[in-house]
Amino acid sequence: QSVLTQPPSVSGAPGQRVTISCTGSSSNIGAGYDVHWYQQLPGTAPKLLIYGNNNRPSGVPDRFSGSKSGTSASLAITGLQAEDEADYYCQSYDSSLSVYVFGTGTKVTVL
Amino acid sequence: EVQLVESGGGLVQPGRSLRLSCAASGFTFDDYAMHWVRQAPGKGLEWVSGVSWNSGNIGYADSVKGRFTISRDNAKNSLYLQMNSLRAEDTALFYCAKADPGSSGSSFDYWGQGTLVTVSS
Repeated sequence: QSVLTQPPSVSGAPGQRVTISCTGSSSNIGAGYDVHWYQQLPGTAPKLLIYGNNNRPSGVPDRFSGSKSGTSASLAITGLQAEDEADYYCQSYDSSLSVYVFGTGTKVTVL
Repeated sequence: EVQLVESGGGLVQPGRSLRLSCAASGFTFDDYAMHWVRQAPGKGLEWVSGVSWNSGNIGYADSVKGRFTISRDNAKNSLYLQMNSLRAEDTALFYCAKADPGSSGSSFDYWGQGTLVTVSS
């Protein structure tokens, strides 16, 4: 049972903007731990998309952005493209459980 | 180029053991913590275990504590996961992941392609 909650799915037309929420608690996101985001294309390993709440690794398009506030975080994808169809996961650390935690995952569909 | 290559997965009966390995290259292995993350078929990601650069700090998910043991050999640039008393619910693709320390909580910046563990009689 994940301690970070995401919507199961979001969808949008090409070119639109979609956002994915990640809701945690006072022992993880709310405690000040960074939130990271991963993209998992079908049949492949996860890839780091956003680290440290709002930083993009080299090679990640600036269409992807992250934010964090209180006990929640969000991933925004602007100018949605067909290649963005994938599963997206948030991740943080939980101090009360002393474990790294992933979100429940969100499937993004490009209509 | 960072490469992580897992091996050791396979079909195993409930209650038996299996040892996973991860061969790392392309970075200074003993500078970084390493982790195992698994994904059951059709399910989400679950952190399994992590080990610090010098093995001085080790953590486990409650679901595997007491059954799994993580270890590393910095001389061989390798990470291991000894899995005992395997259960059907351990069936998953196991990924090896390199940690990026960050300012407040590590991310996993490189992942292997995974090795499949199937626990079934």
